[in-house]
Amino acid sequence: AQKITQTQPGMFVQEKEAVTLDCTYDTSDPSYGLFWYKQPSSGEMIFLIYQGSYDQQNATEGRYSLNFQKARKSANLVISASQLGDSAMYFCAMRGMTGGFKTIFGAGTRLFVKA
Amino acid sequence: EAGVTQFPSHSVIEKGQTVTLRCDPISGHDNLYWYRRVMGKEIKFLLHFVKESKQDESGMPNNRFLAERTGGTYSTLKVQPAELEDSGVYFCASSPDRAFTDTQYFGPGTRLTVL
Repeated sequence: AQKITQTQPGMFVQEKEAVTLDCTYDTSDPSYGLFWYKQPSSGEMIFLIYQGSYDQQNATEGRYSLNFQKARKSANLVISASQLGDSAMYFCAMRGMTGGFKTIFGAGTRLFVKA
Repeated sequence: EAGVTQFPSHSVIEKGQTVTLRCDPISGHDNLYWYRRVMGKEIKFLLHFVKESKQDESGMPNNRFLAERTGGTYSTLKVQPAELEDSGVYFCASSPDRAFTDTQYFGPGTRLTVL
């Protein structure tokens, strides 16, 4: 079975500093995709970044990067130069072949950025 | 390009009543998904449409839930009769293709409260 684990219910970071949000996953699929979504207080789910299991390089999108360690089955999100607007809930998610096309989500990490 | 839209944004109903949620996917996206997050739990998959056909409805909790996607455009999710445990946020997502590498774009969600 596929599973996503986010062990940090809440995180604090000082504005302008970097922060790492942890995500580990479990799957027996040979191929899968890993995603991070941001959910601000307004409620919408915003896609941030994607990492394919066969991608050789870690994904980056602006201030977001994904620290992908396949052997450890981890896909941590790194946010550089945190901004107040980064305060939100962050979900790690995955999709794989045996799971069909459904996305499996972790419990989420709430990030608080301090001024 | 317009994103995924959902209506209503909030709904408060009494136990035993009926509620219908609507989702308009991104234009041209054949794949439409419904997810739900009940209080304190992970976001869970409900079902997946490819055009007007139900591809996977393994996540539907029971027969009080009925989803339709007539004409392969917008979708509705009806809960009849609603129970207290149905309270939560219902998300709709869409994607152009079905590959697990495809990003699913989420709508803002409908917050359902059953009293």
